[in-house]
Amino acid sequence: DSGVTQTPKHLITATGQRVTLRCSPRSGDLSVYWYQQSLDQGLQFLIQYYNGEERAKGNILERFSAQQFPDLHSELNLSSLELGDSALYFCASSPTPGQGTDTQYFGPGTRLTVL
Amino acid sequence: LAKTTQPISMDSYEGQEVNITCSHNNIATNDYITWYQQFPSQGPRFIIQGYKTKVTNEVASLFIPADRKSSTLSLPRVSLSDTAVYYCLVGAPEKLTFGTGTRLTIIP
Repeated sequence: DSGVTQTPKHLITATGQRVTLRCSPRSGDLSVYWYQQSLDQGLQFLIQYYNGEERAKGNILERFSAQQFPDLHSELNLSSLELGDSALYFCASSPTPGQGTDTQYFGPGTRLTVL
Repeated sequence: LAKTTQPISMDSYEGQEVNITCSHNNIATNDYITWYQQFPSQGPRFIIQGYKTKVTNEVASLFIPADRKSSTLSLPRVSLSDTAVYYCLVGAPEKLTFGTGTRLTIIP
């Protein structure tokens, strides 16, 4: 158990809909990262927050947005969903803003299925 | 951003030592090398991290030559439970690209 929690575990929805994925980082960790992993693909970095502020942005679509709240939990919002958005979405946390020695602790993921 | 190159897949028998090499020719001076393990439908798990020479922990060793342009993850006496995808990453977390990793299959 990494200490990172993600809800829900599974999510099934229809094209065009909007969903929200939630992540609670490990106690004391200030950074939260979001990743997308499609079938048989590597993890694609989406976005990072540190202590409530966006710190780095990767391959995140404009239809996707995220935020980190004062209690440090984070939400990833996916809108106008398409079939291709079906994937595993992972959240990870680390204690610092992103140092070379940081270890990321990953949550169990949310499996999103868009029908 | 340091790009990494790993073999797509490897097979090994139980009880053998497995070495997975990663190339990172344009590694920056301040970059560390980190390896993660991922089982199907689970999040990646940190294995080991190093900067130069050799690092060993309870599960693996990491060998880094003096020029740091490559690194080798060594798993001693693998078992079936080591079947997973292994990712080599270089650099600060916000710059990391996991890529597709190396799919290691352990054969009984």
